[in-house]
Amino acid sequence: DTGVSQDPRHKITKRGQNVTFRCDPISEHNRLYWYRQTLGQGPEFLTYFQNEAQLEKSRLLSDRFSAERPKGSFSTLEIQRTEQGDSAMYLCASSSGTLTQWPVTDTQYFGPGTRLTVL
Amino acid sequence: GQQLNQSPQSMFIQEGEDVSMNCTSSSIFNTWLWYKQDPGEGPVLLIALYKAGELTSNGRLTAQFGITRKDSFLNISASIPSDVGIYFCAGPPIIQGAQKLVFGQGTRLTINP
Repeated sequence: DTGVSQDPRHKITKRGQNVTFRCDPISEHNRLYWYRQTLGQGPEFLTYFQNEAQLEKSRLLSDRFSAERPKGSFSTLEIQRTEQGDSAMYLCASSSGTLTQWPVTDTQYFGPGTRLTVL
Repeated sequence: GQQLNQSPQSMFIQEGEDVSMNCTSSSIFNTWLWYKQDPGEGPVLLIALYKAGELTSNGRLTAQFGITRKDSFLNISASIPSDVGIYFCAGPPIIQGAQKLVFGQGTRLTINP
C-alpha cells in the first residue's frame, strides 16, 4: 500500500495557461475526492467520484475546472485559463467506499497535494 | 452550508505542556474527525468520533464528541516537538449520503523546546 500520490508536487504557471494535475489513489479504493486549500484555511471540497462516476461537484468548481476518472483508477483535474485566484494547494483523497454506511463515512486518506502558483 | 470554527487559531507552548483545542458548529454533525497536517503534506487522520458523548484516545491524543453534537474537543498531553503542525476538525454535512468533508480553519501548534 503506497498511499495516495499526486503529480506534480509543485506547478508554477502564467495566468491564462492550462494546467493538469494527476492523482493516483490507494489501489482498490472506489472513491476519490478533490479538495482545494488556500493559505491559512482548511481544505474545501471540490468534487468526488465513485468509481468513474462524478457524483458531486461543489459550486467552487467553475466552468474552467474539469475532473475526470476515466477508468475508475487515477484521476485528473484540469484548470483552463488559470487566474491568480486559482493559486492554492490541490489535495486528492481516496477511500474504500465499500465498507461503511451513512452516516458513518469512509476514512479519507489524503495525498501530499499539488501546490499551484499562478503568476 | 455547515461551517466549523476552531479555536484557538494558534498556540505557542513549551515542550511537555498539555494542549486543548476545540471546534464548534452552528449545526449538528453526526461524525467528528480530527486531522493533523504537516508543512507541505496532506492531512492525516488522528481520531474519528461517531457518537455524541464519545471519548476516544490515540496515544497522547484524546478527543470528545460533544453532547450537543455541535462541538468537539482535542487534547494532547505532554507535547513533544513532532506534535508541531496544524490541527483540523472535519465532518460530513448532515445530508443523506454526503461523503464530502467540511473542515475548520485549523489550529496551528508551535512548540518551544
